[in-house]
Amino acid sequence: AQSVTQLGSHVSVSEGALVLLRCNYSSSVPPYLFWYVQYPNQGLQLLLKYTSAATLVKGINGFEAEFKKSETSFHLTKPSAHMSDAAEYFCAVRSDGNKLVFGAGTILRVKS
Amino acid sequence: GAGVSQSPRYKVAKRGQDVALRCDPISGHVSLFWYQQALGQGPEFLTYFQNEAQLDKSGLPSDRFFAERPEGSVSTLKIQRTQQEDSAVYLCASSLALAGGPGEQYFGPGTRLTVT
Repeated sequence: AQSVTQLGSHVSVSEGALVLLRCNYSSSVPPYLFWYVQYPNQGLQLLLKYTSAATLVKGINGFEAEFKKSETSFHLTKPSAHMSDAAEYFCAVRSDGNKLVFGAGTILRVKS
Repeated sequence: GAGVSQSPRYKVAKRGQDVALRCDPISGHVSLFWYQQALGQGPEFLTYFQNEAQLDKSGLPSDRFFAERPEGSVSTLKIQRTQQEDSAVYLCASSLALAGGPGEQYFGPGTRLTVT
């Protein structure tokens, strides 16, 4: 069965600093991978998706993620953090029957 | 265009009451999913519909949980005899589910259920 592990339940960065949120997956087949962002009291918004077309995936709001099969990783990065990036981020893998299996989430704090 | 909508946004129920949560998917989306998100955790799968057919209900935690999508559009998640452990945010998502595609899911704002 597919699974996802997000390392670090909380990440704190200064405004303008690099954002790195870690995600490792487990999958017996080539995976479909996703990053979602959740703002307080809101649903999940799709940031980007990996579909095997390219290993470096660009998403919305300046985020990107790199698929590394050898490391079974799909880490999310952004070169320069904005205050508006403060939210919770979830990595997910598509599993049997099209359902998504989510990691536990990483709360990103951006300090001014 | 309109996204996924859910109602009510907030629901307080006394233990033992029945509740019904509604989801309106994006028009034309074939697939519909329900997830449960407990406080401080990631969403967990409950059930999945393709049109009106419920293809997977393996995530429903007990027989008190029931979901339907009778006309292949709007879906209702019903919880009978609510318990405190049912307190969570219930998220609905829909997807085009094109063959061979990633099937990205688009989420509604969720219904926050509090059982007292």
